[in-house]
Amino acid sequence: GDSVTQMEGPVTLSEEAFLTINCTYTATGYPSLFWYVQYPGEGLQLLLKATKADDKGSNKGFEATYRKETTSFHLEKGSVQVSDSAVYFCALRTGYKLSFGAGTTVTVRA
Amino acid sequence: EPEVTQTPSHQVTQMGQEVILRCVPISNHLYFYWYRQILGQKVEFLVSFYNNEISEKSEIFDDQFSVERPDGSNFTLKIRSTKLEDSAMYFCASRDLDTYNEQFFGPGTRLTVL
Repeated sequence: GDSVTQMEGPVTLSEEAFLTINCTYTATGYPSLFWYVQYPGEGLQLLLKATKADDKGSNKGFEATYRKETTSFHLEKGSVQVSDSAVYFCALRTGYKLSFGAGTTVTVRA
Repeated sequence: EPEVTQTPSHQVTQMGQEVILRCVPISNHLYFYWYRQILGQKVEFLVSFYNNEISEKSEIFDDQFSVERPDGSNFTLKIRSTKLEDSAMYFCASRDLDTYNEQFFGPGTRLTVL
């Protein structure tokens, strides 16, 4: 079935460091791809999305490009802040439902 | 900004007991979902609900589970006879027709079955 595999965490970084979280997927057809973020004590929030190959989603300095040839949707940010500390989930949508990766906990230290 | 709310934030119950988890979706949304996350594991889809009926469900969503929209604002998940392995964080989500791709999530209910 459709599935998402993302980089294991936790990831600890210093402020202004470069962040990459790898995400690859397996799906029949052409799924839409998403990154969700969960801040402590809050629900899952959509961070960015891409609906077709070569689309780039971006938001709050984060970017991810839908790569059909490598079935990947890696999340990147060039300069992280302490406020980026959260759990990040890669997901794909097929039909009505979302299929999520395991989540990557990111901690940014001042 | 409108948001999805869930109550309670934490529910502790004894094995075999019934629990009802409550969600208030965003008011103009028409599609409703439940997901769960067992500690240390992936967020898993349970069920989607539209027009007062289930539109899709996973193999996890067996006869012990049911969903209901009892009035115009609430969306509930009932587990009839809880098992230890039902302990998880349960997330409700909703979306409207115009944002086909985006599901808005609540903060979750942590269910602990003893």
